[in-house]
Amino acid sequence: IAGITQAPTSQILAAGRRMTLRCTQDMRHNAMYWYRQDLGLGLRLIHYSNTAGTTGKGEVPDGYSVSRANTDDFPLTLASAVPSQTSVYFCASSEGLAGGPSTDTQYFGPGTRLTVL
Amino acid sequence: AQSVTQPDIHITVSEGASLELRCNYSYGATPYLFWYVQSPGQGLQLLLKYFSGDTLVQGIKGFEAEFKRSQSSFNLRKPSVHWSDAAEYFCAVSYNTDKLIFGTGTRLQVFP
Repeated sequence: IAGITQAPTSQILAAGRRMTLRCTQDMRHNAMYWYRQDLGLGLRLIHYSNTAGTTGKGEVPDGYSVSRANTDDFPLTLASAVPSQTSVYFCASSEGLAGGPSTDTQYFGPGTRLTVL
Repeated sequence: AQSVTQPDIHITVSEGASLELRCNYSYGATPYLFWYVQSPGQGLQLLLKYFSGDTLVQGIKGFEAEFKRSQSSFNLRKPSVHWSDAAEYFCAVSYNTDKLIFGTGTRLQVFP
């Protein structure tokens, strides 16, 4: 069982370019999440999805979009990258209860290191 | 606003010494509390979590944490640190939602 895979591992991107970070889980988890990790700020939630077909905004959603066409995949798109989006991006998933309390463990992928120049 | 505070940005201990990492949360309701560990270049891994019941929680790798409602704290402890424990540790809280709020992390360095 792979758990959560993310691609690419790292990427250098010119400002203004479009970029999609991929995330796939094989645990059949309902909920999925995208975080960015920045030094001194910890992890901040960008977007989340409680179940396939639904998405929601987290703490720092501006400049990012997500889709959840099926249970396993949760891509994150930067429509027009800016240098402030330079960060390490983590995808996570949990069993999740749509609209309910979260006592679930979140499982994290290995991350994508993105540099926007 | 809901928040989690980890007052120590960086802690250094000698191998074999005891360890305590601090975590405080703000909000009136009883939260769900978590500790995650991130090894260099890796994603986060759950160490332990507290929802209710016994306030002393045992986790993996010999870690434990104690929930103290009166102090709004959930400090992580280990009686004897190993060199492999060097990592970054994140406290996180959930308030009856599907979203976690993370602290800013504490980097642990272990000297031989």
